[in-house]
Amino acid sequence: QVQLQESGPGLVKPSGTLSLTCAVSGGSISSNNWWSWIRQPPGKGLEWIGEVYRSGNTNYNPSLKSRVTISVDQSKNQFSLNLNSVTAADTAVYYCARQPPDFIRYIDYWGQGALVTVSS
Amino acid sequence: IVMTQSPVTLSVSPGERATLSCRASQSVSSNLAWYQQKPGQAPRLLIYGASTRATGIPARFSGSGSGTEFTLTISSLQSEDFAVYYCQQFNKWPTFGQGTKVEIK
Repeated sequence: QVQLQESGPGLVKPSGTLSLTCAVSGGSISSNNWWSWIRQPPGKGLEWIGEVYRSGNTNYNPSLKSRVTISVDQSKNQFSLNLNSVTAADTAVYYCARQPPDFIRYIDYWGQGALVTVSS
Repeated sequence: IVMTQSPVTLSVSPGERATLSCRASQSVSSNLAWYQQKPGQAPRLLIYGASTRATGIPARFSGSGSGTEFTLTISSLQSEDFAVYYCQQFNKWPTFGQGTKVEIK
């Protein structure tokens, strides 16, 4: 059973950088899966931020592309999200997640989520 | 692609049937998934490919549709089914509907 666990600061200052890591257990980050970050502002819907493959190839939401970096660390079996120049609008629960094999972009495994608040 | 779900809230009695709708602003073929989300939890995959139940999902959940119109049906609501349901298209850059809350009538 694949498990994903987000970690990182729960509070980020405006204009700062939000950084989260997702540790994968029960499976390998080097498998034929893409790995995603999805966020959900409090009381609102879901937004797909971006995704990374074991090779380091990435795809980003066009609306966030200029501020987002997603990377993979095969040696640690984890992947990471960096979002810079944050504002209060970036306050959300951030989920790391796994797509099924062969680049089919829905999510079969989710992390529990990490609330990140942007505030001074 | 904009995904629009209706209704926003659905009030249903336990044991009754619930029908949730999801409309895409352009065709997504059968590249559609449904998720269930309970308060404080991550979403859970219910349906993918518009009509295929995910592993471990009870048969009372069924999905149908293709192109721009999709339906999630819960044949007989159980207490654990009261939650928010999201559709998501994956034909192009993935986008989600705004959700339908299924509440106890």
